[in-house]
Amino acid sequence: QSVLTQPPSASGTPGQRVIISCFGSTSNIGSNTVSWFHQLPGTAPKLLIYSNNQRPSGVPDRFSGSKSGTSASLAINGLQSEDESDYYCAAWDGRLNVVVFGGGTKLTVL
Amino acid sequence: EEQLVESGGDLVQPGGCLRLSCAGSGSTFSTHWMDWVRQAPGKGLEWVANINEDGNKKNYVDSVKGRFTISRDNAKKSLYLQMNDLRAEDTAVYYCARDLMGASCLWGQGILVTVSS
Repeated sequence: QSVLTQPPSASGTPGQRVIISCFGSTSNIGSNTVSWFHQLPGTAPKLLIYSNNQRPSGVPDRFSGSKSGTSASLAINGLQSEDESDYYCAAWDGRLNVVVFGGGTKLTVL
Repeated sequence: EEQLVESGGDLVQPGGCLRLSCAGSGSTFSTHWMDWVRQAPGKGLEWVANINEDGNKKNYVDSVKGRFTISRDNAKKSLYLQMNDLRAEDTAVYYCARDLMGASCLWGQGILVTVSS
């Protein structure tokens, strides 16, 4: 069981907006920044969002992150077929002194 | 282009040991925290350990404390994970990552460790 809670699956049609949630607690999301990663099958994860809402260079502005209290969200606007991937949230947990990940959300583009 | 390349993965018997290496290619290796993250077959990501820039601060997930040791050699731009007393549940693809929670985050391609008799 992961410390951060994500829905196991999400889906949308091309062009739609999809939001993936990530629920934590005061010791992780509530007091530290959140990063989001995406991972295609058989490949290494890649950074999508850091510091709650910052996009590294090369990540399209269709992707955005937000945080409120002990939860965070990843929004994908204008869904495209290549967005089909696994998405993970992560945060430092100051009580456990570890990085905690969500269980991952498999996004399907219908 | 900067990259991280893991090596040292293998099939090992329960109770055995293995040392993973992660070679960096960029000039900024010594200026970032480094992490090990693993992924069991068909499962999600699990953070394992990290180490600060100088190598004098280390953190571990409870399940590997006392068995795994993270270290680094900045002169060689290399990160290591010494894994002792390996268990079946340690079977996973192991990734090294630079600046995991920051803007300069970079992941290696991963290396498979299989613990089985």
